[in-house]
Amino acid sequence: QVQLQESGPGLVKPSETLSLTCTVSGGSISSYYWSWVRQPPGKGLEWIGYIYYSGSTDYNPSLKSRVTISVDTSKNQFSLKLSSVTAADTAVYYCARVGGSKVTAIDYWGQGTLVTVSS
Amino acid sequence: EIVLTQSPDFQSVTPKEKVTITCRASQSIGSSLHWYQQKPDQSPKLLIKYASQSFSGVPSRFSGSGSGTDFTLTINSLEAEDAATYYCHQSTSLPRTFGQGTKLEIK
Repeated sequence: QVQLQESGPGLVKPSETLSLTCTVSGGSISSYYWSWVRQPPGKGLEWIGYIYYSGSTDYNPSLKSRVTISVDTSKNQFSLKLSSVTAADTAVYYCARVGGSKVTAIDYWGQGTLVTVSS
Repeated sequence: EIVLTQSPDFQSVTPKEKVTITCRASQSIGSSLHWYQQKPDQSPKLLIKYASQSFSGVPSRFSGSGSGTDFTLTINSLEAEDAATYYCHQSTSLPRTFGQGTKLEIK
């Protein structure tokens, strides 16, 4: 069964760039879409964007100007960069797999990592 | 952007009760509606995909129905372990969106 694990700093200063990596194990990163979703403390889920293993991406327009998602198939990893962060970007960030095609459900999720934006 | 509105926001239920959660989309999404369960301090878990298809390993008491704009998640014979927040999610159009969540409390 595929497993996903987020890694990266848990604390980021305002105006800086949040960087997270998701390592995929138990399966290949090829032939799937891979997504980032975030959840502010006590709130609901927000889709950030996804990337195909070939590198094509789609982003949430609300974050598009600040988001970059990339993939490294040689390491079975994909990454998230969110620039110019503010306190509103404080959230648990999940990496996840979109099963089968980009119009299907997110079927596997990482455990999530809390990123706090604070000076 | 497609807005998904769940009802109710909160429900307190007793074990063995039957629970129904609804999700209404702001425009037709066919059957591209999925349901997730999230327990405290855990990541979401897929229960139902494409409105009515049970995901692997999900107990049979969970079922889904609907198409177009109106969808339902049903939990038959609720168990204590079903205490969680449930979210619907659409994969028809960009950006992908989630409902606001329905929190189930077990009495």
